[in-house]
Amino acid sequence: DAEITQSPRHKITETGRQVTLACHQTWNHNNMFWYRQDLGHGLRLIHYSYGVHDTNKGEVSDGYSVSRSNTEDLPLTLESAASSQTSVYFCASSASGGVNTGELFFGEGSRLTVL
Amino acid sequence: AQSVTQPDIHITVSEGASLELRCNYSYGATPYLFWYVQSPGQGLQLLLKYFSGDTLVQGIKGFEAEFKRSQSSFNLRKPSVHWSDAAEYFCAVGEKNTDKLIFGTGTRLQVFP
Repeated sequence: DAEITQSPRHKITETGRQVTLACHQTWNHNNMFWYRQDLGHGLRLIHYSYGVHDTNKGEVSDGYSVSRSNTEDLPLTLESAASSQTSVYFCASSASGGVNTGELFFGEGSRLTVL
Repeated sequence: AQSVTQPDIHITVSEGASLELRCNYSYGATPYLFWYVQSPGQGLQLLLKYFSGDTLVQGIKGFEAEFKRSQSSFNLRKPSVHWSDAAEYFCAVGEKNTDKLIFGTGTRLQVFP
């Protein structure tokens, strides 16, 4: 069965360290998204990609970067982790456009704690 | 800018009671609207979506939602709640031609036996 997986599921790091969260999907979806989930804020879009070599900033992109070298993967990098980036991170993917619009398939999340 | 408001942070109902979760949106044109559910420790799962046509939309797990343009609302309903419906529910609005979703802050549903 097709799926979307995130790793690690839990990570503790220190302020200033670089952290990369992996996201791998086997749906062959063009669209991939990274959200963060915080109490009182719901899900906020960090970065997204519509295909290989395409990346776009979301509403809370400062301090984060992504790259898309193939269809399956969209790793999220925190260049210098800050305590404000303690959160649960969700990766999602979707097919492009039409009646598939908005039908996101989510990973199970990565809980990141920055000390 | 488009946005979604879920006025209720936390709702508690008894098992077997009816449920209505509120969602209001702000969008210039006819929106794409969605409801997602998140069980504890899990990612989000699509419950239902509205693109156009019939304003009453049926979804999975016995849920339905009604699009009301005059009230800018897309409320989620279920006639009889089961204990397994306890979860967090998110309303979302989609931008046409971008495939992006903007989520509300969520409503946590607690179900008492």
